[in-house]
Amino acid sequence: GAVVSQHPSWVICKSGTSVKIECRSLDFQATTMFWYRQFPKQSLMLMATSNEGSKATYEQGVEKDKFLINHASLTLSTLTVTSAHPEDSSFYICSAEDRWAYNEQFFGPGTRLTVL
Amino acid sequence: AQKVTQAQTEISVVEKEDVTLDCVYETRDTTYYLFWYKQPPSGELVFLIRRNSFDEQNEISGRYSWNFQKSTSSFNFTITASQVVDSAVYFCALQMIYNQGGKLIFGQGTELSVKP
Repeated sequence: GAVVSQHPSWVICKSGTSVKIECRSLDFQATTMFWYRQFPKQSLMLMATSNEGSKATYEQGVEKDKFLINHASLTLSTLTVTSAHPEDSSFYICSAEDRWAYNEQFFGPGTRLTVL
Repeated sequence: AQKVTQAQTEISVVEKEDVTLDCVYETRDTTYYLFWYKQPPSGELVFLIRRNSFDEQNEISGRYSWNFQKSTSSFNFTITASQVVDSAVYFCALQMIYNQGGKLIFGQGTELSVKP
C-alpha cells in the first residue's frame, strides 16, 4: 500500500535555529503534498499545499518566509522552519496525493518539533 | 465556506458499550468526500473510511459502522462493543472533489476514552 515517511520523527532545537522536515512518498509519485500543523489537543490545520516544480500555496495567516516549502521531486517535499521559536513547537504532518489517483491522500507519521 | 463540526469534545465509555461519534459538515459543493480518521497517542493518523457524496449507503466494517445522511449533512460513526484499544482521538474531515485543490478540512476531533 501507499506509504509516506517523515524524517525526523521528532526534533528538539534551540530558539533561533532552522529545522528541516522531509516528507517522502515511498511507493508512489506525488505531484501534490500537503503540510498540516497540529497543536496539543487541537485539530489539524493546513499550512500549505506543495506542488512539484512550482511554488507552494500557503493558507491565510501562515508566514511563507518562516515556513519554507520545497517540492523538488515527485517523491519529496521539505518544510523548513526558519528561526524557530517556542511557539512553533507543534506536531507537523504531511500528506501526499497519488498522482494517478485524484484526491487519494496518504498521511505521514508526523514530526514532533520542540523549540527550547 | 466549508466547515466540519464535531460537537463532542470528549466521550468516555466503559468497555463493550456502543458509542456514536457525531459529525456535521457544511459545504455548497455537491461533489465531495467525507472521511474518518483515528489518531492514537502515537500521533499517526489512521484512515478509517472515505465516502463519496453521491453514495449515501451506510457502511459496516467489523465493529465500525457509518451513517451518512445528506439531508442533515451528517456523517456519524458508531463503534459497537467498544474496546480499550479504541481509545483515541477521532477526526471527521471534508474534501471538495473539484475545488480547494484537494485539501482536507478537519473537525475539532472527539477524544474517546474506553475504560476497562
